[in-house]
Amino acid sequence: GQQVMQIPQYQHVQEGEDFTTYCNSSTTLSNIQWYKQRPGGHPVFLIQLVKSGEVKKQKRLTFQFGEAKKNSSLHITATQTTDVGTYFCAGGWRTYKYIFGTGTRLKVLA
Amino acid sequence: DTGVSQDPRHKITKRGQNVTFRCDPISEHNRLYWYRQTLGQGPEFLTYFQNEAQLEKSRLLSDRFSAERPKGSFSTLEIQRTEQGDSAMYLCASSYHTDTQYFGPGTRLTVL
Repeated sequence: GQQVMQIPQYQHVQEGEDFTTYCNSSTTLSNIQWYKQRPGGHPVFLIQLVKSGEVKKQKRLTFQFGEAKKNSSLHITATQTTDVGTYFCAGGWRTYKYIFGTGTRLKVLA
Repeated sequence: DTGVSQDPRHKITKRGQNVTFRCDPISEHNRLYWYRQTLGQGPEFLTYFQNEAQLEKSRLLSDRFSAERPKGSFSTLEIQRTEQGDSAMYLCASSYHTDTQYFGPGTRLTVL
């Protein structure tokens, strides 16, 4: 079956340090999405990657999609306290069904 | 507010009771998703509508769960004979021709 694994489960960093979360799918994906969920909030869409090897940047956030379209990463440079939350990847297949990873909970220590 | 809305925001019920949740997507969004999220987990796909057609339903769902989107606008999710294991946050999301999903605030269900 289709599974999406995400590591690490938790990450505590000092403010200003970098952060990376990794996402791996058991099967080849059509696309991958990334979401951020603040404590007590709902997931908020960050970005979608579609092409093999694609890299996209949003200010301090860099998203990558693997060449085989089975893995992805989100890298945050110089974390800030506003980056606190849980980051989810969601693997998409052509049926429009999305399977979310378990998420990486980021804590930023000031 | 033109975002996705869900009602109620919280529901406490006794085991064995039926509950129904409503989701109002962003106007003109043709796609609507239902997810369930428990503490420390990612959203778990339940079902997907394109307009009024339910195109996919998770095999994880038992027959106690049913969803409708009668006119292709709002949607309802009903859980019959609730069990304690149904306690979770039920999230609705909508999108329009793109895959960007806009999530609502969710309905938190507690089954006693």
